[in-house]
Amino acid sequence: SQKIEQNSEALNIQEGKTATLTCNYTNYSPAYLQWYRQDPGRGPVFLLLIRENEKEKRKERLKVTFDTTLKQSLFHITASQPADSATYLCALSGSARQLTFGSGTQLTVLP
Amino acid sequence: DTAVSQTPKYLVTQMGNDKSIKCEQNLGHDTMYWYKQDSKKFLKIMFSYNNKELIINETVPNRFSPKSPDKAHLNLHINSLELGDSAVYFCASSPRDFSYNEQFFGPGTRLTVL
Repeated sequence: SQKIEQNSEALNIQEGKTATLTCNYTNYSPAYLQWYRQDPGRGPVFLLLIRENEKEKRKERLKVTFDTTLKQSLFHITASQPADSATYLCALSGSARQLTFGSGTQLTVLP
Repeated sequence: DTAVSQTPKYLVTQMGNDKSIKCEQNLGHDTMYWYKQDSKKFLKIMFSYNNKELIINETVPNRFSPKSPDKAHLNLHINSLELGDSAVYFCASSPRDFSYNEQFFGPGTRLTVL
């Protein structure tokens, strides 16, 4: 069955460092991969989308890579700030007209 | 404000009751969704409507019935509530039902069944 795993439930890093979150998938051939941010008590907010034929996408301090051979996406936040603390969700979509979400990684940036 | 809105924000009810959650989007999107997020934060699709037509209906008990009176509204009615229905329910919308569209989520409805 299709499976999406995000590297760890929780990740703590020091302010100013680069946070790297991992999304691995199995039994899936996604055409698109999306990353969302979710704050406590709120709905997910879209951050970035990357297509299967793209290796890397950037937006301000965010960078996403997509390796369809390794079946993995990496999500980087450079120069992290305490305000970046949240849960980050990866979501995959393919021929089916729906997103399948991972369970998320809770990032805490320590001042 | 342009957004996806849901009511109520919190819903506490007894087992066996019937309840509804309402969702509205004023983004002009064609597609709307209902998701369930359990206590482990796992977000799972329940239903999807495109222009009032049901296009995704995951394995959900038939006690759950979505209704879309128009493409800006998607309501969720739940009959005979059970303890396991306790979760946060999110409504979302996207411009089209294509898999590359980003989705816009509402604030969620926290349902607690006692």
